[in-house]
Amino acid sequence: DAKTTQPTSMDCAEGRAANLPCNHSTISGNEYVYWYRQIHSQGPQYIIHGLKNNETNEMASLIITEDRKSSTLILPHATLRDTAVYYCIVRDSFYNQGGKLIFGQGTELSVKP
Amino acid sequence: NAGVTQTPKFQVLKTGQSMTLQCAQDMNHNSMYWYRQDPGMGLRLIYYSASEGTTDKGEVPNGYNVSRLNKREFSLRLESAAPSQTSVYFCASTGLAVPKREFFGPGTRLTVL
Repeated sequence: DAKTTQPTSMDCAEGRAANLPCNHSTISGNEYVYWYRQIHSQGPQYIIHGLKNNETNEMASLIITEDRKSSTLILPHATLRDTAVYYCIVRDSFYNQGGKLIFGQGTELSVKP
Repeated sequence: NAGVTQTPKFQVLKTGQSMTLQCAQDMNHNSMYWYRQDPGMGLRLIYYSASEGTTDKGEVPNGYNVSRLNKREFSLRLESAAPSQTSVYFCASTGLAVPKREFFGPGTRLTVL
């Protein structure tokens, strides 16, 4: 699995967009970019994933650069409840034997009033 | 639909004691995983089960054993607990859909004295 690089921490004002960057320069063609978050030691929660195209769901948007070497997770209107550690993970979608996630350190996002 | 459940939520053991952490999912998922998370760290994979009847080691399997009891249940056993095993343990599961998406349990907080 390719490795990712994320900033250790970020702050965001409540109501503003939170933009969390991730570098994955060694990503290969069949690897997806996944984002999970972990709120205060709860179990990690899936947010979104993408391969090449930008993706949007009810929680967030994922912007992937054309060369796929980096991506940005966007929380459009951050709330205090979005304070969490955000993990960017790349994985092979065709890893049928387990398909295990490998977590890095993540970005600790603090949303402030 | 409870998702992924774990028991117990909290446990304190003395060095050398044994215990089994239980995990169950009601989503008919094929793959199940055990992770540990030490303070200030990301999750690390202990063991996983790609399907009923199979188990494989992850990143940090030493000191643990697992049993995939049936499709729903995946247990983690500490035969002789050590203080280094003080951690939060998370169970997760995924189905056959590609790309995979993990669902995590709420965690078991284990302290070994």
